[in-house]
Amino acid sequence: NAGVMQNPRHLVRRRGQEARLRCSPMKGHSHVYWYRQLPEEGLKFMVYLQKENIIDESGMPKERFSAEFPKEGPSILRIQQVVRGDSAAYFCASSPVASNTGELFFGEGSRLTVL
Amino acid sequence: AQSVAQPEDQVNVAEGNPLTVKCTYSVSGNPYLFWYVQYPNRGLQFLLKYITGDNLVKGSYGFEAEFNKSQTSFHLKKPSALVSDSALYFCAVRDRVYGGSQGNLIFGKGTKLSVKP
Repeated sequence: NAGVMQNPRHLVRRRGQEARLRCSPMKGHSHVYWYRQLPEEGLKFMVYLQKENIIDESGMPKERFSAEFPKEGPSILRIQQVVRGDSAAYFCASSPVASNTGELFFGEGSRLTVL
Repeated sequence: AQSVAQPEDQVNVAEGNPLTVKCTYSVSGNPYLFWYVQYPNRGLQFLLKYITGDNLVKGSYGFEAEFNKSQTSFHLKKPSALVSDSALYFCAVRDRVYGGSQGNLIFGKGTKLSVKP
């Protein structure tokens, strides 16, 4: 049973380019969460999605960042016009149901480097 | 506002000795508490959680954690450390009363555990 799959694992972009990070949740999971981990910091919540719906995007920067979780296919975190400060590890997590008591299952992360 | 604090950036332990990784929290209402472990260049792995009931929670790889409501703490413990336990440990909390996103885990900054032979 495959876990949460993220790709690419490593991505290098120059300032101004776009970054697209993909996440396929565990089989049977319909809830996806994106977190960002900056060096020397913990994980910061970005966005919570269900299929075709954004449930909570309170942690998303107001500009350049967007996320989607279409009916078919993986969830996508898109960063437009990247800047050096976007360099971080981006983690996706999934859960089978919306529950405050359940743990989240994390992917291996996508490490973005902006030159 | 909800928050989690891990007061130690790093904990050093000799193999075979007991270990403790500290975590304190601040939330409104009763919390749901979690511990995760992260190995280098890997994702987070769930260790254990406290929801309700017995204050001592047992989890994966021999780890356990004690919920202390009066001290608002949820320290991670293991009676005998292994070199393979060396990793980054994260405490997280989700406020039961908080009516927002079910997915919004609040993480501490992490504590690096180093176990020497």
